Amino acid sequence: AQSVSQHNHHVILSEAASLELGCNYSYGGTVNLFWYVQYPGQHLQLLLKYFSGDPLVKGIKGFEAEFIKSKFSFNLRKPSVQWSDTAEYFCAVNGFQTGANNLFFGTGTRLTVIP
Amino acid sequence: NAGVTQTPKFRVLKTGQSMTLLCAQDMNHEYMYWYRQDPGMGLRLIHYSVGEGTTAKGEVPDGYNVSRLKKQNFLLGLESAAPSQTSVYFCASSYRQWVQETQYFGPGTRLLVL
Repeated sequence: AQSVSQHNHHVILSEAASLELGCNYSYGGTVNLFWYVQYPGQHLQLLLKYFSGDPLVKGIKGFEAEFIKSKFSFNLRKPSVQWSDTAEYFCAVNGFQTGANNLFFGTGTRLTVIP
Repeated sequence: NAGVTQTPKFRVLKTGQSMTLLCAQDMNHEYMYWYRQDPGMGLRLIHYSVGEGTTAKGEVPDGYNVSRLKKQNFLLGLESAAPSQTSVYFCASSYRQWVQETQYFGPGTRLLVL
């Protein structure tokens, strides 16, 4: 069955530390990959997405993600986190169902940045 | 543009009661979705709609019904609420069917079923 895994449930970092959040999916076909962020008390917002082309995609607020097809991974990175990056981060994938835009989400990673 | 809005923001129900959650979007999007978010489980798709008058089941449809009578509105109904339906419900919309389309989310409705 298709699935999306985020193995880091809660990550705590100090400001200026580097961030990498893991995302793996299990599906051998063509997929499209997304990272969404949910700030405390707010709705989900798109950080970045990958459909094709350069496997290194850049999103808003200095985030980037790299698609490694051989590892079925789409890890999110940021070189230097800020306190305002405290949020929950969700990896999402679609393409599991042909012709549908239904997203499958990972369980989320809560990031806490300590000032 | 208000984007995607949801009403109510918070609701408490007793087991067996019914209620309807309203989602509205002003972006002229064709596709609309209802998700539930539970701790440790991420978001799961309940139902979705590919256009006015059409609905389809998602990953966890049991206990819910939906209707899309107008393009801008997508209603989620609970006929007989159960404690297992305690969750945060998110509505989303996207412009077209294409898988590259970004989904835009509403602020969520927190539902507690006692």
